[in-house]
Amino acid sequence: DAGVIQSPRHEVTEMGQEVTLRCKPISGHDYLFWYRQTMMRGLELLIYFNNNVPIDDSGMPEDRFSAKMPNASFSTLKIQPSEPRDSAVYFCASSLAGVKEQFFGPGTRLTVL
Amino acid sequence: RKEVEQDPGPFNVPEGATVAFNCTYSNSASQSFFWYRQDCRKEPKLLMSVYSSGNEDGRFTAQLNRASQYISLLIRDSKLSDSATYLCVVNHMDSNYQLIWGAGTKLIIKP
Repeated sequence: DAGVIQSPRHEVTEMGQEVTLRCKPISGHDYLFWYRQTMMRGLELLIYFNNNVPIDDSGMPEDRFSAKMPNASFSTLKIQPSEPRDSAVYFCASSLAGVKEQFFGPGTRLTVL
Repeated sequence: RKEVEQDPGPFNVPEGATVAFNCTYSNSASQSFFWYRQDCRKEPKLLMSVYSSGNEDGRFTAQLNRASQYISLLIRDSKLSDSATYLCVVNHMDSNYQLIWGAGTKLIIKP
């Protein structure tokens, strides 16, 4: 079975542009998590969903960030407008209710110039 | 104070040696504990869960000390392939399935 799929794997954009990151969780998993990782701040939880419903978005840095999960097999994280300080690796992870282990996708390496 | 704290390292260890590192957590309601491993430029992957009685998986031993609120990871007969960052992760009742992540300890095994 395929693991968590993320696209794109790398994104280079200019400040002010809109960026959309995509994630397909493992089939059957009902929890989906978006993380950001930087050298300075480590791994930070941005938002997580249960059964496609956002549960906790307190980690979203500001209104420029938004996330959606229109169905059980797809989620997006959007940054508009992007800024250089948004440069990081963005991970999507999924898990199954009752099981704490989270399975991570390969990440999207975002560079905002 | 961070909720989960780890020594960032790096720990430079010769191949074949035993290495151990700890992680402390601040929330006494924490109930689930894990060690994840992250290779350079890769995603984190679960290494092992940590049980109250301690547990072992091959060369890896994890222990939990609830009284002092720390968990430990011991690696015996270290291999070059053990070089990675080890992330300490806790979960507590208040946060449901949300995990609280340490910043990681970097381990470098030298030939």
